[in-house]
Amino acid sequence: RKEVEQDPGPFNVPEGATVAFNCTYSNSASQSFFWYRQDCRKEPKLLMSVYSSGNEDGRFTAQLNRASQYISLLIRDSKLSDSATYLCVVTTNAGGTSYGKLTFGQGTILTVHP
Amino acid sequence: DAGITQSPRHKVTETGTPVTLRCHQTENHRYMYWYRQDPGHGLRLIHYSYGVKDTDKGEVSDGYSVSRSKTEDFLLTLESATSSQTSVYFCAIKQTGGTNTEAFFGQGTRLTVV
Repeated sequence: RKEVEQDPGPFNVPEGATVAFNCTYSNSASQSFFWYRQDCRKEPKLLMSVYSSGNEDGRFTAQLNRASQYISLLIRDSKLSDSATYLCVVTTNAGGTSYGKLTFGQGTILTVHP
Repeated sequence: DAGITQSPRHKVTETGTPVTLRCHQTENHRYMYWYRQDPGHGLRLIHYSYGVKDTDKGEVSDGYSVSRSKTEDFLLTLESATSSQTSVYFCAIKQTGGTNTEAFFGQGTRLTVV
């Protein structure tokens, strides 16, 4: 079983739609959680961190459920510019020198069409 | 943007030849990582470094070696390239080993082994 699993999609939605992505992780010792965005043939860039209480940044809302080991990202009022791959990232402090090990999901592809 | 540069950006090489990819940072971050990205697998950790001359293996380290002789440079070497090492390689840096700090990525190196 992969440590971090995402539905790869693709998700094809019209402009203005609301879309939600889910991510599950297997390591209960995981400590920090992030959503990264990756545009085609570009490097991943941080979209937002995910906090236990849930957090919002404009049209984007992230949720964390530690009990179910589940992370979500909600995008409201989708824009054409939201088309990208969204990567779920989980960080674990593996102890010793393995600080801040980042584990990536395989990514969810989103296409927003007119 | 974080000061992180990968070179070369594109390379085509023949099976059996050695290849070295370079990651250079101007941020003085302690932690540096090499990932490869392949369809269906997301980003997978090859090797990482937690200081000068301090490196450790990631989940897909076979066939790769690394070196870090100074803070700003992290080199990834394929001793004898194989077609299975055709991939996009990303370098990442982090300021601290803490689990809640953002990782910044270089623009990637597209390597094709023929």
